[in-house]
Amino acid sequence: RKEVEQDPGPFNVPEGATVAFNCTYSNSASQSFFWYRQDCRKEPKLLMSVYSSGNEDGRFTAQLNRASQYISLLIRDSKLSDSATYLCVVNIWSGGGADGLTFGKGTHLIIQP
Amino acid sequence: GAVVSQHPSWVICKSGTSVKIECRSLDFQATTMFWYRQFPKQSLMLMATSNEGSKATYEQGVEKDKFLINHASLTLSTLTVTSAHPEDSSFYICSARAGPPDTEAFFGQGTRLTVV
Repeated sequence: RKEVEQDPGPFNVPEGATVAFNCTYSNSASQSFFWYRQDCRKEPKLLMSVYSSGNEDGRFTAQLNRASQYISLLIRDSKLSDSATYLCVVNIWSGGGADGLTFGKGTHLIIQP
Repeated sequence: GAVVSQHPSWVICKSGTSVKIECRSLDFQATTMFWYRQFPKQSLMLMATSNEGSKATYEQGVEKDKFLINHASLTLSTLTVTSAHPEDSSFYICSARAGPPDTEAFFGQGTRLTVV
């Protein structure tokens, strides 16, 4: 089983629509959770961290369900500029030992005018 | 956000030669730096983690003698691919972090290595 699984898409969504991505992780020791965005042939950039209480940043909302080992990202009122690959990322660090981010393969989003 | 500069952005080298890739944090001190590799249509795979002044911790399956990592200062880490072979052709990307693991890691622009 892959450590971080995402639906690769592509998701073709009309501008202005709401789109949701899901991600599951296999290591229950995972401690930190993030959504990164990666544009074609560019480096990943942090979109938002994900907290157990859920968090919102403008049009973006992230949720974490530790019991189900499930992370989600919701994008409202999608813009053309939201077209990118969205990477689900976890870190199992817990105060010692292994560090470093584990990436999903990413979900490719295409916003259509 | 903070800036991480990676150099070169692309390199073509002959099989058997060595290639050095630099990763610099320009406006912050990176206590921890990471090196990743990404093959086409695959996810970023962590190769190694390094803390300034100490030996890098390599992920399982990554040859430490082939991928030499040096993290001599809080702003510079280097990855040297020794005796490169065509199968080493990939996108190598570094990231740097100033704080604990639940804080943001900033990524370099990546280096596309082609071994011919």
